Amino acid sequence: GAVVSQHPSRVICKSGTSVKIECRSLDFQATTMFWYRQFPKKSLMLMATSNEGSKATYEQGVEKDKFLINHASLTLSTLTVTSAHPEDSSFYICSAPGTGFDGYTFGSGTRLTVV
Amino acid sequence: AQKVTQAQTEISVVEKEDVTLDCVYETRDTTYYLFWYKQPPSGELVFLIRRNSFDEQNEISGRYSWNFQKSTSSFNFTITASQVVDSAVYFCALSAGWASGNTPLVFGKGTRLSVIA
Repeated sequence: GAVVSQHPSRVICKSGTSVKIECRSLDFQATTMFWYRQFPKKSLMLMATSNEGSKATYEQGVEKDKFLINHASLTLSTLTVTSAHPEDSSFYICSAPGTGFDGYTFGSGTRLTVV
Repeated sequence: AQKVTQAQTEISVVEKEDVTLDCVYETRDTTYYLFWYKQPPSGELVFLIRRNSFDEQNEISGRYSWNFQKSTSSFNFTITASQVVDSAVYFCALSAGWASGNTPLVFGKGTRLSVIA
């Protein structure tokens, strides 16, 4: 079935550095990718929607300059957390629509820890 | 706007007990989809069920069953004869629109289920 490969699964970075998270669709083309963030013991909240070849759409309260989303091809969407701080520590997960049995195909998630 | 409410934050049951996880949703759309996902400690989301707004039939899959009632905007999930492996966080979610997958999911806050041996 359709798979979204998300890397890295875990990353620890120092405060002030940038981290890139990749979501790659395998065997299918994803024109859209949804990016969610989940703080510890909290729900998944939509951060932004990336669209291939155009600018991402960010949800209210999400800083565009801090969370850079690029959807340069039909198989790759990336989220870069710039100048990360401890409060950015979270679980980030991507989802491509219209592909899985439920209508969505989720990546396996990235657990980011900023120290 | 869509909203999903899971009033139960945490539930603990003893193995073999039945447990029901509640989900209440709000939407103005007449066409929508409802979902349940399981999130084990590893974090990945495991799809359990999808229901569209026109299908109010209850569903049973092994020890799992779902009760969808549009009259009360609820989509409750029951685990029969719970097992330790059922311990996880369970999310109810909603997407509006004609085609499941084309709009992002709105998740409830989740219910953490602990099944004690």
